[in-house]
Amino acid sequence: NAGVTQTPKFRVLKTGQSMTLLCAQDMNHEYMYWYRQDPGMGLRLIHYSVGEGTTAKGEVPDGYNVSRLKKQNFLLGLESAAPSQTSVYFCASSYGRESTDTQYFGPGTRLTVL
Amino acid sequence: GQSLEQPSEVTAVEGAIVQINCTYQTSGFYGLSWYQQHDGGAPTFLSYNALDGLEETGRFSSFLSRSDSYGYLLLQELQMKDSASYFCAWGGGNKLTFGGGTRVLVKP
Repeated sequence: NAGVTQTPKFRVLKTGQSMTLLCAQDMNHEYMYWYRQDPGMGLRLIHYSVGEGTTAKGEVPDGYNVSRLKKQNFLLGLESAAPSQTSVYFCASSYGRESTDTQYFGPGTRLTVL
Repeated sequence: GQSLEQPSEVTAVEGAIVQINCTYQTSGFYGLSWYQQHDGGAPTFLSYNALDGLEETGRFSSFLSRSDSYGYLLLQELQMKDSASYFCAWGGGNKLTFGGGTRVLVKP
């Protein structure tokens, strides 16, 4: 099993450009999450999904959109990137039987917005 | 709202014991998790406490006291490879809320 994978690993954008980050998991997990992590800080939840076709806002959703068209994939979109969105983005998944089920994280995407 | 407080940094020598405290203010608390993250890496799960008391997993133990809204992660027989950031996380409402993390530096 590959676990949780993220594409791309690195990206540099100019202000105003758009992009989509892809997260894929092969563990048949129901729940998927997108976090951002800024230097020296903890993880902040952007959006999450409790099943195919469902999404919900997390702590810092502004400027991002998500879609969960297939159970194994969770996409994070930036429609008009801003320098404040420079961060490391982590995707995670869990079985979802309980809210504290172990979350399995992808390797992260390092995004720089100039 | 929800918040979790933990120290920003702890330094210790190999073989020592380190305790990382985590205090929280939440509603609808389901349990406390701990994650480890090495520099440049992804967070990985360490332990979970749903009930009061101590959970032991090898050299690592985690403790929870719901009445005190407090938990801690105990790292024993520290090794160089334990140098990392450690995050407590509160569970509830289908998601986790993470603390700011404690950076543990292990010196020879």
